[in-house]
Amino acid sequence: DAKTTQPPSMDCAEGRAANLPCNHSTISGNEYVYWYRQIHSQGPQYIIHGLKNNETNEMASLIITEDRKSSTLILPHATLRDTAVYYCLPLAGYSSASKIIFGSGTRLSIRP
Amino acid sequence: NAGVMQNPRHLVRRRGQEARLRCSPMKGHSHVYWYRQLPEEGLKFMVYLQKENIIDESGMPKERFSAEFPKEGPSILRIQQVVRGDSAAYFCASSQRTGTNTGELFFGEGSRLTVL
Repeated sequence: DAKTTQPPSMDCAEGRAANLPCNHSTISGNEYVYWYRQIHSQGPQYIIHGLKNNETNEMASLIITEDRKSSTLILPHATLRDTAVYYCLPLAGYSSASKIIFGSGTRLSIRP
Repeated sequence: NAGVMQNPRHLVRRRGQEARLRCSPMKGHSHVYWYRQLPEEGLKFMVYLQKENIIDESGMPKERFSAEFPKEGPSILRIQQVVRGDSAAYFCASSQRTGTNTGELFFGEGSRLTVL
């Protein structure tokens, strides 16, 4: 599995866009970039994923650089409920039966 | 479609007792992962199972811990002779691993084990 680097913590004002970076410079061609978050004491929650193109859903946007070595998760209008630990992880295609390792993630704090 | 169900949600055991944690994956999912999370720490991979097979148990302690995912019924994480250091939240996740949504893990709400 590719290794990822994320800042250990970030903060953002409520209502502003939160931009969470992730470096995955050793990502391989068949690996997607996935983002999850874990709100305190709860089970982690899927947010979004992508391969090459930028993606958007009701929760967030994902920007992947052209060389795929890094990505940014964007929460367009952060709320207090977005306070959580955010994990970025590259995951291989369905033919690869491998364990899934979570890194340390970024602890995002939203301030009122 | 019910999500991943874990039970019990909270379990208290005395040192030396056994703890059994159960995980029912989402319907149609045949891949199960177990993670352990100590207070204020990240998710640590323990074991990855498919139906009736252990695919990767490299994150599981060699002694006292075992996991299974039988053909019928939930996946079980078993901890024998528990010690205080086993106190943690244990999360289960399931996946279908087909198509492009390979990594979309669906997590349960966790089982919190407290060892007295």
